[in-house]
Amino acid sequence: GQQVQQSPASLVLQEGENAELQCNFSTSLNSMQWFYQRPGGSLVSLFYNPSGTKHSGRLTSTTVIKERRSSLHISSSQTTDSGTYLCALEPASSGSWQLIFGSGTQLTVMP
Amino acid sequence: EAAVTQSPRNKVAVTGGKVTLSCNQTNNHNNMYWYRQDTGHGLRLIHYSYGAGSTEKGDIPDGYKASRPSQENFSLILELATPSQTSVYFCASGDAPGGDQNTLYFGAGTRLSVL
Repeated sequence: GQQVQQSPASLVLQEGENAELQCNFSTSLNSMQWFYQRPGGSLVSLFYNPSGTKHSGRLTSTTVIKERRSSLHISSSQTTDSGTYLCALEPASSGSWQLIFGSGTQLTVMP
Repeated sequence: EAAVTQSPRNKVAVTGGKVTLSCNQTNNHNNMYWYRQDTGHGLRLIHYSYGAGSTEKGDIPDGYKASRPSQENFSLILELATPSQTSVYFCASGDAPGGDQNTLYFGAGTRLSVL
């Protein structure tokens, strides 16, 4: 089965609302990352967060290894936050540095 | 800033034809990767490489070959393209894991349509 599951699959917000994106994984991991993908565009790394909480501007990532989950919180959303957010994990069993991606959460922020 | 360049950006191919997707990185990263992205599947790893001359199979290698002739270049080859290979392909580069700088740098993607 899928090792990385993201929820929700899609989310529509009004500008200014907060968003909570979830990533659940079924395997032990070395690291967890969050990426942002602009519509039709490339991916850029938001957080490298193997455990604990990290902040970057309006974004907060929290990874709880024991509960096998990671979350991405977006506060005071803006229309420019629209796009797809993907989590990716590096499995502990990986002999090389590989990332397994979730299917993503498609976020739309309306003005 | 890390740079990964893919070419072509868009490609239309015929079934049974040969397609080569190219990727160049100027980051001097050891590892390079080819992913495809399809709705509902996220990114799936096709092939990857540890350095010049090496290629390794990822999770979905069937129907694809890879070539790493140098540190900078990594190609994905579809010898006999099929419509099921219609997708968006991403190349990425990165170094061995460790520390907060551990991440992948992605190219802009190649949109391939096989008719």
